[in-house]
Amino acid sequence: DGGITQSPKYLFRKEGQNVTLSCEQNLNHDAMYWYRQDPGQGLRLIYYSQIVNDFQKGDIAEGYSVSREKKESFPLTVTSAQKNPTAFYLCASRPNPGGQPQHFGDGTRLSIL
Amino acid sequence: GQQLNQSPQSMFIQEGEDVSMNCTSSSIFNTWLWYKQDPGEGPVLLIALYKAGELTSNGRLTAQFGITRKDSFLNISASIPSDVGIYFCAGLISNFGNEKLTFGTGTRLTIIP
Repeated sequence: DGGITQSPKYLFRKEGQNVTLSCEQNLNHDAMYWYRQDPGQGLRLIYYSQIVNDFQKGDIAEGYSVSREKKESFPLTVTSAQKNPTAFYLCASRPNPGGQPQHFGDGTRLSIL
Repeated sequence: GQQLNQSPQSMFIQEGEDVSMNCTSSSIFNTWLWYKQDPGEGPVLLIALYKAGELTSNGRLTAQFGITRKDSFLNISASIPSDVGIYFCAGLISNFGNEKLTFGTGTRLTIIP
């Protein structure tokens, strides 16, 4: 089945540790996105990539890093510089051309031990 | 980053009632989207609106793209238990290949037995 796969579903991090969240899509979409969701708030954009080997900061990029070496993969690293990393992280992708709706994975919940 | 004003924040209704929620913004959008999110999952696209004044239905759901391009509403008729969840509006602005999707803060729908 075509879709967006995020893994793991749940992730625990010790303070001072970097962790990487996986996002893979087999929809042949060019653009991919990472959002953070906190209780009672909407989704906030962390990073996005419109094409392989290129990515842009979103509204809350500090403490995060990404790479886009392959079209189907857009991993997000939550670094130790992110002081409040506990949240629900959502990956999305959308087809080209622009103006199309984004479709989401099922999310990864990150918690601090 | 900007977030849309979505209201109400929460709704408690009885099964069979109709539901109405809306989003307003100070900015103009090219596209309005409505998503539904179940607990622990990613948002699922319900309706996409592409033209000012457009009225679109998807089963018991009806959404409209405001004529000013600064607002949208979603109606659900004859609610059923599986309608429970959080509903998000999202506005998309697309200029010369640069796109930005802004989310509302969500409307939590609860059905009272």
